[in-house]
Amino acid sequence: AQKITQTQPGMFVQEKEAVTLDCTYDTSDQSYGLFWYKQPSSGEMIFLIYQGSYDEQNATEGRYSLNFQKARKSANLVISASQLGDSAMYFCAMREGMMNTDKLIFGTGTRLQVFP
Amino acid sequence: DSGVTQTPKHLITATGQRVTLRCSPRSGDLSVYWYQQSLDQGLQFLIQYYNGEERAKGNILERFSAQQFPDLHSELNLSSLELGDSALYFCASSEQGGGPQETQYFGPGTRLLVL
Repeated sequence: AQKITQTQPGMFVQEKEAVTLDCTYDTSDQSYGLFWYKQPSSGEMIFLIYQGSYDEQNATEGRYSLNFQKARKSANLVISASQLGDSAMYFCAMREGMMNTDKLIFGTGTRLQVFP
Repeated sequence: DSGVTQTPKHLITATGQRVTLRCSPRSGDLSVYWYQQSLDQGLQFLIQYYNGEERAKGNILERFSAQQFPDLHSELNLSSLELGDSALYFCASSEQGGGPQETQYFGPGTRLLVL
């Protein structure tokens, strides 16, 4: 069954350091997309980065990069040069391509706290 | 700002009541999705509409219904409300609603509290 696992309920990182948030997924589809969203304490869900299953290169968006290891079914988010404003919940999500459904399946999230 | 708008931002109501949540997708997006975020269930997909037609259903209760109008805005109707319906309800939109590569952009959410 399709599933997203985020094993880190909480992470701490010092400002300006890099941090990796883990995400593993389970799917039998060959075609799928992986997404990361940020949810600050205000509640909104902010799209950060996307990785397609057929993408050869790891996705990058500014300070965010996705460490995609297809054989291990992992899609870890790397935030470089952490800022205080990065403190938030981070959700990994997957969308499958073959099931004729466009829903996102979310993990349970990781709460990141950046300290000075 | 994702371009997806949701109203109201907050809603407090009593058990047994009915409420309507409204969503306007990003300009040009044809698909609208509704998600529920609660402490015990996490983020769950409820329902998707594409260009006015229901496309997919998730864990949506029979007491809940939704529709998408010709101008593409969508409404989620929650009736016979129970305490357990208290949650953050998100609307998201995407261009077409097809393919795993399409990003869904989320609105700010409606926080529902049932007392």
